Amino acid sequence: DAKTTQPPSMDCAEGRAANLPCNHSTISGNEYVYWYRQIHSQGPQYIIHGLKNNETNEMASLIITEDRKSSTLILPHATLRDTAVYYCIVSPHPSNAGGTSYGKLTFGQGTILTVHP
Amino acid sequence: GAVVSQHPSRVICKSGTSVKIECRSLDFQATTMFWYRQFPKQSLMLMATSNEGSKATYEQGVEKDKFLINHASLTLSTLTVTSAHPEDSSFYICSARDASGYGYTFGSGTRLTVV
Repeated sequence: DAKTTQPPSMDCAEGRAANLPCNHSTISGNEYVYWYRQIHSQGPQYIIHGLKNNETNEMASLIITEDRKSSTLILPHATLRDTAVYYCIVSPHPSNAGGTSYGKLTFGQGTILTVHP
Repeated sequence: GAVVSQHPSRVICKSGTSVKIECRSLDFQATTMFWYRQFPKQSLMLMATSNEGSKATYEQGVEKDKFLINHASLTLSTLTVTSAHPEDSSFYICSARDASGYGYTFGSGTRLTVV
């Protein structure tokens, strides 16, 4: 079962920041927070991941609370092409996972983000 | 960055036949690959984990004799849906794990329709 809770849907105006929340209150100490998105009929696309520090890359920023029980993905200037389902996932980092199926990604229902003009 | 190629992107087959889906890591070696299935308006459901040179590990409820997985090389894993039925119609997606840091790269998916 997925260990995360996300709102089922959100709207955002084009050009504005999209802030997508995620609750992961049972996260373990060795688990990272991953964000992926899936545009209709495509495979998921990696966005960002983090352990406890805030992270930023060319796509987004990830803000993780100090207790690590929740996080927020920020798309600073949303465009129409950002309309997608966004998945927040917690999992051990692959390089720390070892084993065979350890470290697999389990998807929850995600948040449908709709960016409108 | 890491690229995973999945083929075919779409396939239509007759009920009772078998279909093979290929998943290739193009610029990295993938010791572990994952196979997911996604029904319309639902999330991705992990079917199995395949490791190069060993038997796949199937999730609970997934029939290993129906969904045959082979991971014979570090760049190729295949999923064969045997004796396909209309209820097997779905979007199948593979993912490859590497040791570089990002961890998981997904293929573009295969839309299987069984008629």
